[in-house]
Amino acid sequence: DADVTQTPRNRITKTGKRIMLECSQTKGHDRMYWYRQDPGLGLRLIYYSFDVKDINKGEISDGYSVSRQAQAKFSLSLESAIPNQTALYFCATSDFGGEVFFGSGTRLTVV
Amino acid sequence: QKEVEQNSGPLSVPEGAIASLNCTYSDRGSQSFFWYRQYSGKSPELIMFIYSNGDKEDGRFTAQLNKASQYVSLLIRDSQPSDSATYLCAVIAGGSNYKLTFGKGTLLTVNP
Repeated sequence: DADVTQTPRNRITKTGKRIMLECSQTKGHDRMYWYRQDPGLGLRLIYYSFDVKDINKGEISDGYSVSRQAQAKFSLSLESAIPNQTALYFCATSDFGGEVFFGSGTRLTVV
Repeated sequence: QKEVEQNSGPLSVPEGAIASLNCTYSDRGSQSFFWYRQYSGKSPELIMFIYSNGDKEDGRFTAQLNKASQYVSLLIRDSQPSDSATYLCAVIAGGSNYKLTFGKGTLLTVNP
């Protein structure tokens, strides 16, 4: 089983719909992240959490919200999806100052 | 100013050659430096990390760090077609949050 699991792997949704992307990890890390990747723009940090009670905005948090339900679970929500949120989304985990491990990604298309 | 900068490429090298990938960063207090490889449509995977000035070698890969010049590079010796991928430089800046910041990546193509 993968250490960092994202669901769904692919999703097509309509403009205005609410959608949740889920992430769970078995690495025992405290730190979890949500990144978005667009062609030519690289990986951009949406939100990050250093423990269950700590949630921080990244560089592109507008239009997104997160929930850290447990040490192992970190979900990303789009309250009202719009087409420019079409992208590849990665969840990731790390320990303090160490290697970041990525999930397999969720390819989201908003039509 | 972008915190981590890479030449987007594409960088094209023949099989067996040395590929040189470069990265500069803006925060002088940066602590840790990582190179990730990402195949198209896949998630990034760590191939090298370096914390101290100088060279660090791991098989065909060598990471080089020069903190005075705020420059980190990755050399791939005896390049293989399977090395064709996007290489992402990532930096943990100074300060207390230890958040990883990525460059946009350099696309490397190794031609048989």
